[in-house]
Amino acid sequence: KAGVTQTPRYLIKTRGQQVTLSCSPISGHRSVSWYQQTPGQGLQFLFEYFSETQRNKGNFPGRFSGRQFSNSRSEMNVSTLELGDSALYLCASSYTLLGGTGLRNEQFFGPGTRLTVL
Amino acid sequence: GQNIDQPTEMTATEGAIVQINCTYQTSGFNGLFWYQQHAGEAPTFLSYNVLDGLEEKGRFSSFLSRSKGYSYLLLKELQMKDSASYLCAGSYNNDMRFGAGTRLTV
Repeated sequence: KAGVTQTPRYLIKTRGQQVTLSCSPISGHRSVSWYQQTPGQGLQFLFEYFSETQRNKGNFPGRFSGRQFSNSRSEMNVSTLELGDSALYLCASSYTLLGGTGLRNEQFFGPGTRLTVL
Repeated sequence: GQNIDQPTEMTATEGAIVQINCTYQTSGFNGLFWYQQHAGEAPTFLSYNVLDGLEEKGRFSSFLSRSKGYSYLLLKELQMKDSASYLCAGSYNNDMRFGAGTRLTV
């Protein structure tokens, strides 16, 4: 079974540009969550998509947006990039919605996209 | 706020047992995740606790007390490869909150 894949793995952009990151979940998984990881702030939750709908959202500005397609693949977009957006962006897939009370809550992370904003 | 607190660093010897504690805000809480993250790699899921009590999975066990806002990850028979950061994360209504991670050195 193929794992979670993310593209691109590395990206360099300049301030003011926009960027789109892609995440392909494990086959059969309908939930895709996005996270930002920095040395200063640690791992922070961006949002979760399930069945093409945003179900949960963290405390990030509107410059961060996402979407999910019918095949569960997800994209994340960051507009008007700032220096502080430099980070490792991780996506994770799971069979069920985050925070459920049933089984199969295991989350599988992709390798991440390292974004550098100059 | 919905703080997730865990110790910054811990050190233990090979073959020993170590317990990593985590406290969290109980308001709006759904469940508690534990992840392992080696340097330069993505996090790996270890456990998800919703109900009170201990869940054992091989050398790793995770405990949850919902009323006390407390969880711990227990690692037995420590091995060198267990040296990593261990992240505690709370699932809340519409949100997930992570602790800063506990760096374990074996």
